[in-house]
Amino acid sequence: AQSVAQPEDQVNVAEGNPLTVKCTYSVSGNPYLFWYVQYPNRGLQFLLKYITGDNLVKGSYGFEAEFNKSQTSFHLKKPSALVSDSALYFCAATNYGGSQGNLIFGKGTKLSVKP
Amino acid sequence: DARVTQTPRHKVTEMGQEVTMRCQPILGHNTVFWYRQTMMQGLELLAYFRNRAPLDDSGMPKDRFSAEMPDATLATLKIQPSEPRDSAVYFCASGPGQAVDEQFFGPGTRLTVL
Repeated sequence: AQSVAQPEDQVNVAEGNPLTVKCTYSVSGNPYLFWYVQYPNRGLQFLLKYITGDNLVKGSYGFEAEFNKSQTSFHLKKPSALVSDSALYFCAATNYGGSQGNLIFGKGTKLSVKP
Repeated sequence: DARVTQTPRHKVTEMGQEVTMRCQPILGHNTVFWYRQTMMQGLELLAYFRNRAPLDDSGMPKDRFSAEMPDATLATLKIQPSEPRDSAVYFCASGPGQAVDEQFFGPGTRLTVL
């Protein structure tokens, strides 16, 4: 069965420090990987995706993610965290040949950035 | 700026009452999704439609939940009768339909069943 794991329920970072939110996946075939962000009382917003090509993907708000096929990981990163980055982050995966209905979400990681 | 809209944004009802949530997907998107979000279960896919046809509703409790798309601009999710355990935030999302495409989420309906 396909799955997405976000091993940390919460990540705490000081403003200005780098941040990493971890994600590992298990899908058959070639994966398509996504990160979404959810601010309080809002719907999820797309941040970035990996389809193919360069393993380092850049997205909105200065976020980037690195696809690592051997470790089946797709960790979200940002060089310098902002207080406004505090939100709930979801990793999601599907596979080549799948459809949007096969998108599997992780349980989410709450990012807290303190001044 | 195209976006998914959902109504109502908040709903408080009593157990046993019917609840109807509505969603207007982004024009041109042919895939619509209903999700439920709770603290305990996280984000769960309830149902999804392509070209207004239901493709998968295995995530829905069939005895009380129903989802429909009367036309391309409206998706509905009904709960009858509602129960306290249905209290959650319900999100609608739409997308162009391919696996490579991102989904666009609405703001959600926060449902409280007393």
